Amino acid sequence: QVHLQQSGPGLVKPSQTLSLTCAISGDSVSSNGAAWNWIRQSPSRGLEWLARTYYRSEWFNDYALSVKSRITINPDTSKNQFSLQLNSVTPEDTAVYYCARDRYGDYDDIFDIWGQGTVVTVSS
Amino acid sequence: DNVMTQSPLSLPVTLGQPASISCRSSQSLVFRDGNTYLNWFQQRPGQSPRRLIYNVSNRDSGVPDRFSGSGSGTDFELKISRVEAEDVGVYYCMQGTHWPRTFGQGTKVEIK
Repeated sequence: QVHLQQSGPGLVKPSQTLSLTCAISGDSVSSNGAAWNWIRQSPSRGLEWLARTYYRSEWFNDYALSVKSRITINPDTSKNQFSLQLNSVTPEDTAVYYCARDRYGDYDDIFDIWGQGTVVTVSS
Repeated sequence: DNVMTQSPLSLPVTLGQPASISCRSSQSLVFRDGNTYLNWFQQRPGQSPRRLIYNVSNRDSGVPDRFSGSGSGTDFELKISRVEAEDVGVYYCMQGTHWPRTFGQGTKVEIK
């Protein structure tokens, strides 16, 4: 059974970096049949996909245009996890952040498993 | 970005009665592989979203058969045949055909 466990601080100061981690059990971050996503949810923006990382003989990352200049997603194969870094945060980045999995086979199996969510508040 | 529009945004229902949520896409969701990547998620209060339906009409494991999905092209529907108390929450459609993936605004289901 696949489980995603999120960790990271719930309070970040404006202009600083938001950092979250999603630890994977029951699957592998470097699986050729999976991809790993970050999504956030806020009252103003709803559910918003942010980033994806996946391994297909090499690593690939995709980012939402709205945050592309400030965001990095990184896999960590030694710990079987992946992380999110969002730089230069403002109060508009206040949201619940989720990690989620895709699986790929005969069809794209999108967001089938989600982490528990992390409430992140950007405030001084 | 592809826009997903749900209606209604609020849906008061009587226990045991049916409920229906509509989702409309600004573009056809038929992908070049022939699949239509339209999923439905349920978010109960204080919980993460949970996928109910994938690729228009396929129920996820453990999802009660009172939930069903239908539609094609740009118009889709989630039906609950007989609403139960545990169905209270917000329901989202999501498209995975066009990048970036986008969600509807959500429909809040509550008991009358």
